[in-house]
Amino acid sequence: GAGVSQSPSNKVTEKGKDVELRCDPISGHTALYWYRQSLGQGLEFLIYFQGNSAPDKSGLPSDRFSAERTGGSVSTLTIQRTQQEDSAVYLCASSLAREQYFGPGTRLTVT
Amino acid sequence: QKEVEQDPGPLSVPEGAIVSLNCTYSNSAFQYFMWYRQYSRKGPELLMYTYSSGNKEDGRFTAQVDKSSKYISLFIRDSQPSDSATYLCAVVPATYKYIFGTGTRLKVLA
Repeated sequence: GAGVSQSPSNKVTEKGKDVELRCDPISGHTALYWYRQSLGQGLEFLIYFQGNSAPDKSGLPSDRFSAERTGGSVSTLTIQRTQQEDSAVYLCASSLAREQYFGPGTRLTVT
Repeated sequence: QKEVEQDPGPLSVPEGAIVSLNCTYSNSAFQYFMWYRQYSRKGPELLMYTYSSGNKEDGRFTAQVDKSSKYISLFIRDSQPSDSATYLCAVVPATYKYIFGTGTRLKVLA
């Protein structure tokens, strides 16, 4: 069946602009996660959704970052007023039980 | 001290070698232990996960957990050039929140 998909695959933006990253989880998966992966770093947890609710937003680096999930399915991660340090790969994962399944990621470059 | 430590490598081995990849963790409350493989410019792919101490085997891959030492390992037998990737361990407490190691880069030379 279809896996987790993310769009766009690559995004280059100018410092100060807003960006939206999209995640389509595996159908039926109730949990959805966003992570950030910087060069040479492990995966950094950003936010967790159970259904449309986000019980854990503790990993969002600043108030420039927000995320929502609608219909228990698609999620959007928004970064406002992007900074160069936001450059990274943003990964989305979904799960029904313990195992998380990842999408291919969105590579964000802030110039 | 980081919650999960993983040697970043790179680790280079000849084709056919047995590869040992390892992580240590600090919190005995962690209950689940995951291994992911990540090819360059791709998302992580779940390889295996274990719950208790002991071994779990899947084809050429064996995951091993030693809770007394807080040490987890992934062994790859008869390694192939297609196994060249970054291997990420993750530990999971009773909740959903994965804590990842930084990953070990593996290169299998033909």
